[in-house]
Amino acid sequence: EDQVTQSPEALRLQEGESSSLNCSYTVSGLRGLFWYRQDPGKGPEFLFTLYSAGEEKEKERLKATLTKKESFLHITAPKPEDSATYLCAVRESGGYNKLIFGAGTRLAVHP
Amino acid sequence: EAQVTQNPRYLITVTGKKLTVTCSQNMNHEYMSWYRQDPGLGLRQIYYSMNVEVTDKGDVPEGYKVSRKEKRNFPLILESPSPNQTSLYFCASSFQGQGGRAEAFFGQGTRLTVV
Repeated sequence: EDQVTQSPEALRLQEGESSSLNCSYTVSGLRGLFWYRQDPGKGPEFLFTLYSAGEEKEKERLKATLTKKESFLHITAPKPEDSATYLCAVRESGGYNKLIFGAGTRLAVHP
Repeated sequence: EAQVTQNPRYLITVTGKKLTVTCSQNMNHEYMSWYRQDPGLGLRQIYYSMNVEVTDKGDVPEGYKVSRKEKRNFPLILESPSPNQTSLYFCASSFQGQGGRAEAFFGQGTRLTVV
């Protein structure tokens, strides 16, 4: 069964304390892996798409990487405004545009 | 501004009273879908549509209906809501094709409570 697992469920960081979020997946054929940010009471906001193992993308303090079985979202020197839930989703071969989501990682960055 | 618009944002209703949540997108996307989000379970797909008049079930379709009469609109219908449909609902849209690389755009969400 296709599955996306994110860890940890929750992460508390001090401002400036770098860390990584993990997304592991099992799908029959990966067409794309997506990272989204979700603020409380709002819809997911697109961050990155990764397509092939070895690919990396960066945006401000965030960097996403992809291997054949997992993706990491690295957060460098986070600020309180980075606090949010980060969602990982995969799109598999033959699944039209369906996204399979993980349960998310709730990140809290304290001053 | 490119966006997906859902209405209403909040809704409290009683068991069995039919309701409709509207969704509209202004990006000319072919693919639209509905998700529900529950604590610890993530986003799960309810129904999707690949284009006008083409809809199909997602992973959790029981108790829901959809229609796609126009490309921009994709309403979600609960004919007889039950308390287990209390959830946060999101509409999403994306371009079809592009090798599956097109990102999905999400609406602001509809928080539904069925009592």
